[in-house]
Amino acid sequence: AAGVIQSPRHLIKEKRETATLKCYPIPRHDTVYWYQQGPGQDPQFLISFYEKMQSDKGSIPDRFSAQQFSDYHSELNMSSLELGDSALYFCASSSGMGKETQYFGPGTRLLVL
Amino acid sequence: GENVEQHPSTLSVQEGDSAVIKCTYSDSASNYFPWYKQELGKGPQLIIDIRSNVGEKKDQRIAVTLNKTAKHFSLHITETQPEDSAVYFCAASYYGGATNKLIFGTGTLLAVQP
Repeated sequence: AAGVIQSPRHLIKEKRETATLKCYPIPRHDTVYWYQQGPGQDPQFLISFYEKMQSDKGSIPDRFSAQQFSDYHSELNMSSLELGDSALYFCASSSGMGKETQYFGPGTRLLVL
Repeated sequence: GENVEQHPSTLSVQEGDSAVIKCTYSDSASNYFPWYKQELGKGPQLIIDIRSNVGEKKDQRIAVTLNKTAKHFSLHITETQPEDSAVYFCAASYYGGATNKLIFGTGTLLAVQP
């Protein structure tokens, strides 16, 4: 079965640079969630989109923005990167019956030097 | 806001033994409780979930119980195998609108000794 696809899988950036993470949800899923997981930490909710509209917002820095496109893929844009932004970034998607069930992608590991 | 506590933080068992992980949530409005297994360098994988209208759910060697009054839910793994070794996260959410964010527990590192 098709799963959530994230790209890139690994990303190395310098401080103050920008990064764009991409998420392709499971086909026919209309809701996308972004989570950040620091080393040894649990995933923390950042932001979510339903039918291309922002539906909820968590502890996402103002330096970050995101959107969901007409094909339901989503991009997380991160600017003025800081060392503390180094983390695993996961995308999850859900839809249909059992809409509350979220399926996670493999994640993007971001390292800020 | 919602807070989820998870215990223990580490758990070591012998192969074939049972493992139990417990979580407590704070928001009585929460109505959906999934459990995820995360292997090193991978994304969380849903292993079982339970909704607030059910007290117990079982899937082969895995079972989850929910006590809404006490706001507790637990994961039970029987006949553990080395491949069960991973970090397990519980989570809670309120499913009632267009989306629902997951609030995760702090994770349990399960080590199954062969």
